[in-house]
Amino acid sequence: DAGVIQSPRHEVTEMGQEVTLRCKPISGHDYLFWYRQTMMRGLELLIYFNNNVPIDDSGMPEDRFSAKMPNASFSTLKIQPSEPRDSAVYFCASREGNTGELFFGEGSRLTVL
Amino acid sequence: GNSVTQMEGPVTLSEEAFLTINCTYTATGYPSLFWYVQYPGEGLQLLLKATKADDKGSNKGFEATYRKETTSFHLEKGSVQVSDSAVYFCALIPFSGGYNKLIFGAGTRLAVHP
Repeated sequence: DAGVIQSPRHEVTEMGQEVTLRCKPISGHDYLFWYRQTMMRGLELLIYFNNNVPIDDSGMPEDRFSAKMPNASFSTLKIQPSEPRDSAVYFCASREGNTGELFFGEGSRLTVL
Repeated sequence: GNSVTQMEGPVTLSEEAFLTINCTYTATGYPSLFWYVQYPGEGLQLLLKATKADDKGSNKGFEATYRKETTSFHLEKGSVQVSDSAVYFCALIPFSGGYNKLIFGAGTRLAVHP
């Protein structure tokens, strides 16, 4: 069975450019989460969706970040404009139900120069 | 509020040594507790879980017991291997009845040397 699929795996861009990260959750999972991981701050929850509806976006750092989930099988996290401090590994995760196991993708490593 | 506190790493052990990584939590109600593991270059994956007091989760030789009286969920393994080198995250889901998000600790890095 396919797990959570993220793309791209690696992205290097210049400050000011738009970055779009993509995620395909596991089929049948109704929750989708976006996390950011850095050495300084560890694992941070940015936003999560239930049945494609954003439930809690209080972790989104600022207006430069936006996330969408147009359907049950696809989500995007967009940063516009990007800044060097956005450099991190961004993880997408999905789960079935309110208390099920969380399945993570392999992450998208973003470097903003 | 809900939170998870883990012992700071890195933890460095020799192969076959005994491992304990401490985890304590603060939560309202009766949370479910988890240990996730992150191997280098990968996403997190569930290692074990416990959903009620006195439950013991176990997997791959790792164990953790849900202790409500001490609000703890310490991770243990009797004999670690080099392949256990990874970052370990303790986490909880507060059982509040609403939308529930997984709350992670800061992670503890384990390095096992031959």
